[in-house]
Amino acid sequence: GAVVSQHPSWVICKSGTSVKIECRSLDFQATTMFWYRQFPKQSLMLMATSNEGSKATYEQGVEKDKFLINHASLTLSTLTVTSAHPEDSSFYICSARDQTSGYEQYFGPGTRLTVT
Amino acid sequence: TQLLEQSPQFLSIQEGENLTVYCNSSSVFSSLQWYRQEPGEGPVLLVTVVTGGEVKKLKRLTFQFGDARKDSSLHITAAQPGDTGLYLCAYKGAAGNKLTFGGGTRVLVKP
Repeated sequence: GAVVSQHPSWVICKSGTSVKIECRSLDFQATTMFWYRQFPKQSLMLMATSNEGSKATYEQGVEKDKFLINHASLTLSTLTVTSAHPEDSSFYICSARDQTSGYEQYFGPGTRLTVT
Repeated sequence: TQLLEQSPQFLSIQEGENLTVYCNSSSVFSSLQWYRQEPGEGPVLLVTVVTGGEVKKLKRLTFQFGDARKDSSLHITAAQPGDTGLYLCAYKGAAGNKLTFGGGTRVLVKP
């Protein structure tokens, strides 16, 4: 149980275009999901907290107009990187919080974004 | 400056050797978690330590929470190539909300 999936697993896009990443909790409902970014050889940095049915909460320094988050259902959150630039190239990881198991967070496998 | 400082940043050892990874802070935590992340994948929870002085074992991995609940360590006995990965400590914010990670320790176990 407690499986989180992400799609796509990797994506290459051209500078200036937008790309959407999906995060799904497969066998539990998640009112809260989290989006992290990880640069090579670095740790995970929280970008935002995604709440079902309400606006996301962004961490300091993260542009909410550039990283659009939608949490339209209890099993799906999406992150859209708008007008992507090469410096947005990174590993994006989501996690979903399972309220039925002590609010434990389960992580997705990540999405590798490369902006050319 | 990160609230959780992990050391060393990188560790390369031969199969069969032992290693210890540290997670230190000046703050007191109600609990700390340890994760392992393999290249190209998301982190996987290994353990949560809650009580000061607590020791938990997971096969060849031994986790300890400091008496003052400010630090933790991970000791691996007889490391194997499958132990290779990024080891992360983390704490949960108020109300069990967002996780904050340390900088991580990259472990490479050579066969």
